[in-house]
Amino acid sequence: DAGITQSPRHKVTETGTPVTLRCHQTENHRYMYWYRQDPGHGLRLIHYSYGVKDTDKGEVSDGYSVSRSKTEDFLLTLESATSSQTSVYFCAISVDRDSEAFFGQGTRLTVV
Amino acid sequence: ILNVEQSPQSLHVQEGDSTNFTCSFPSSNFYALHWYRWETAKSPEALFVMTLNGDEKKKGRISATLNTKEGYSYLYIKGSQPEDSATYLCAFIGGNNDMRFGAGTRLTVKP
Repeated sequence: DAGITQSPRHKVTETGTPVTLRCHQTENHRYMYWYRQDPGHGLRLIHYSYGVKDTDKGEVSDGYSVSRSKTEDFLLTLESATSSQTSVYFCAISVDRDSEAFFGQGTRLTVV
Repeated sequence: ILNVEQSPQSLHVQEGDSTNFTCSFPSSNFYALHWYRWETAKSPEALFVMTLNGDEKKKGRISATLNTKEGYSYLYIKGSQPEDSATYLCAFIGGNNDMRFGAGTRLTVKP
């Protein structure tokens, strides 16, 4: 299995609080992605990174920010959590754009 | 096509039936197309990575074709088995560095 871990795996937080999710990899893969999974939408891209300090917005980036200061870590921050951000969040990594991606186990976030 | 679209949204077949799904994607700025299989309570796992127009990939009873000029890919499952029940996702990689998924086709194979 690819060395990719997400933390925390489950979190309940209150509306208006900041939340940071962590994706950690031990594969030295260049590309890292954050997705959210919602019924009827499959996986929607939030932000992605193509190298240290190189990040860009995806389809649903409003309300989210990311940072990648090291190859192995890609952090997703919800600046002020809202109930609409209740979802399951997946991180993925790939060595290159035309290589298969490997996914973490997901983080279930509930905003109350 | 501006987005990645998959059809049908869901499919119910009997064991032994053959089936196929469609993934439509932007025909310009193509870099690669991936297919993933996603079982309930697990993470998606890659089936195929396709990069060339006319590509045809096969893994056991599952195969896929790619037409980059018209912007579509087909996934075929021959002789479906109950263990094939899953959601099948395609992902489009374009000229940017992003990887965008369709909403998936949920396959249920009844014994």
